[in-house]
Amino acid sequence: NAGVTQTPKFQVLKTGQSMTLQCAQDMNHEYMSWYRQDPGMGLRLIHYSVGAGITDQGEVPNGYNVSRSTTEDFPLRLLSAAPSQTSVYFCASSYWSGIGDTQYFGPGTRLTVL
Amino acid sequence: AQSVAQPEDQVNVAEGNPLTVKCTYSVSGNPYLFWYVQYPNRGLQFLLKYITGDNLVKGSYGFEAEFNKSQTSFHLKKPSALVSDSAVYFCAVMGRRALTFGSGTRLQVQP
Repeated sequence: NAGVTQTPKFQVLKTGQSMTLQCAQDMNHEYMSWYRQDPGMGLRLIHYSVGAGITDQGEVPNGYNVSRSTTEDFPLRLLSAAPSQTSVYFCASSYWSGIGDTQYFGPGTRLTVL
Repeated sequence: AQSVAQPEDQVNVAEGNPLTVKCTYSVSGNPYLFWYVQYPNRGLQFLLKYITGDNLVKGSYGFEAEFNKSQTSFHLKKPSALVSDSAVYFCAVMGRRALTFGSGTRLQVQP
């Protein structure tokens, strides 16, 4: 199993550009999520999905879109990048029993917006 | 809403000594608690979790955590620290549909 994979590893954007961060998992997990990590702030939830076709907002959703057309993939789209979106982005997945399922994290994408 | 507090930004310990990384939580309902570790420029790795049952949870790499309901705490411990344990440790609590993380504690183990 490759686990949770993310591409690209690094990305530099100019203000106003758009891009998609890719996330895939091969564990047949129902639940997938996106977090951003900023210095001293831990991880904050952007969006999550409990299955194909079902998505919902997390704590910091503004400026980001998601869709879940397959169980395996959960891309995160930045519509018009802003310097405030400079961060490290992590994707995670888990089963969804609702009873303390362990989330497994990808290696992250480091994004810089100039 | 649930929350997690990690009161120490950094913990320093000598190799071979016991270590403790502190975490307190707030959640309505049953607490599902987690510890993750992050090495430099890496993703988060799962260490252990508390769902129910025994208050002492054993996890990976010799780590364990003690759940204390009356003090709403879930402290991470290890009897004998290694230099290779140096990393950032995150405590998290599962809410209705997502994890809420603490701000992290940097553990520095000195040789």
